Amino acid sequence: AQKVTQAQTEISVVEKEDVTLDCVYETRDTTYYLFWYKQPPSGELVFLIRRNSFDEQNEISGRYSWNFQKSTSSFNFTITASQVVDSAVYFCALSEARTSGTYKYIFGTGTRLKVLA
Amino acid sequence: SAVISQKPSRDICQRGTSLTIQCQVDSQVTMMFWYRQQPGQSLTLIATANQGSEATYESGFVIDKFPISRPNLTFSTLTVSNMSPEDSSIYLCSLQAGGLVSEQFFGPGTRLTVL
Repeated sequence: AQKVTQAQTEISVVEKEDVTLDCVYETRDTTYYLFWYKQPPSGELVFLIRRNSFDEQNEISGRYSWNFQKSTSSFNFTITASQVVDSAVYFCALSEARTSGTYKYIFGTGTRLKVLA
Repeated sequence: SAVISQKPSRDICQRGTSLTIQCQVDSQVTMMFWYRQQPGQSLTLIATANQGSEATYESGFVIDKFPISRPNLTFSTLTVSNMSPEDSSIYLCSLQAGGLVSEQFFGPGTRLTVL
């Protein structure tokens, strides 16, 4: 069965430190997609990135970067020079193909990041 | 991206009553979904809201408890029926941005507390 594991329940860092959030997944699909979402204290889920299984190139967007390693089934997320506004719960998600041809998204349990001033 | 609104944003309800949550999108979307997020937990998909037909429910969720309507491509409702304290959660609607595996965008959520 598809599974997403975010082993880090909570991480605290001091502002300007770099932090990496881990995401490990299990899937039986040959083609799949991975996602990261941010849920700040306000509660709204914010989409950050989508990555398909054929593209192992790392991606950088400002202070955010993602490292996708198919060999280790991991899709880790790094925030460089963290800021207080980065404090949130971060969810990793994985697509699951269904026999109907549609997809379901499986979410990890989330990592709560606290950035201290 | 589409703007998604949910009503109510929060509610406190008595055990045994029902609450209908509305989800409105400012553009037509094919796929809409309803999720539950229990306190401090991850998101769990309740069902896919299909336009013009019955919703598709995930294992562990049934239509009698969570009836869903999708009368058109911009609107859906989720009813939480015969509520118990275990139903206290955040309920979120989402839509799929484009293709079958595009990213999903989420509404602001409805925070439900059942006493």
